[in-house]
Amino acid sequence: QVQLQESGPGLVKPSQTLSLTCTVSGGSVSTSGYYWSWVRQHPVRGLEWIGYIYFGGSTYYNPSLESRLSMSVDTSKETSKSRFSLSLSSVTAADSATYYCARGSGSGSYMWYFDTWGQGVVVTVSS
Amino acid sequence: VMTQSPDTLSVSPGERATLSCRASQRIYSDLAWYQQKPGQPPRLLIYGASTRAAGVPARFSGSGSGTEFTLTISSLQSEDFAIYYCQQYNDWLLVTFGGGTKVEAK
Repeated sequence: QVQLQESGPGLVKPSQTLSLTCTVSGGSVSTSGYYWSWVRQHPVRGLEWIGYIYFGGSTYYNPSLESRLSMSVDTSKETSKSRFSLSLSSVTAADSATYYCARGSGSGSYMWYFDTWGQGVVVTVSS
Repeated sequence: VMTQSPDTLSVSPGERATLSCRASQRIYSDLAWYQQKPGQPPRLLIYGASTRAAGVPARFSGSGSGTEFTLTISSLQSEDFAIYYCQQYNDWLLVTFGGGTKVEAK
């Protein structure tokens, strides 16, 4: 059974870049048909889809974040784990949230819903 | 825009709970439901508006199409107290979630 685990700093200074990694166990980000995603949850604004990367390295980003966002995949040949990462630049307090990595199911270029989630990592943007 | 109602639903164990989700435009059956408990990530319950995800108890059912959707918990169990979110994926370039309905004990 695939499991996801986020890692990264819990505190980021304003204007800096937030970098998070999701480690995938029991599966591979190279498997076609899955969409390796990031979703964040604000205490007030609720759940917000950030973007996803899928087989072949194609990416789709939330238009509201696209100019600051980058996602990538890292598949280690030495272990059974693979990873994907998020980089969000020029962060502000509005980017403070719980960040989840999630596996999306879909078809072709279309991601539909999230069937597996990581436990989440709380990120605070503050000086 | 996905709008969920009510914001909070007070239900006693054993009772039926009915949660609503409305889409601002037609999304056919491109809708999922999630359950989230405190300190946990969301859990997929329903996709395709009415298909239960693997391992989801039969007391959870989804219905609707177009713009109006319903999640029904036929006989609420104590472990079902949680927040429930709907999510549309008809606009796959921008999947969006509803604001959630909290199901609490009456």
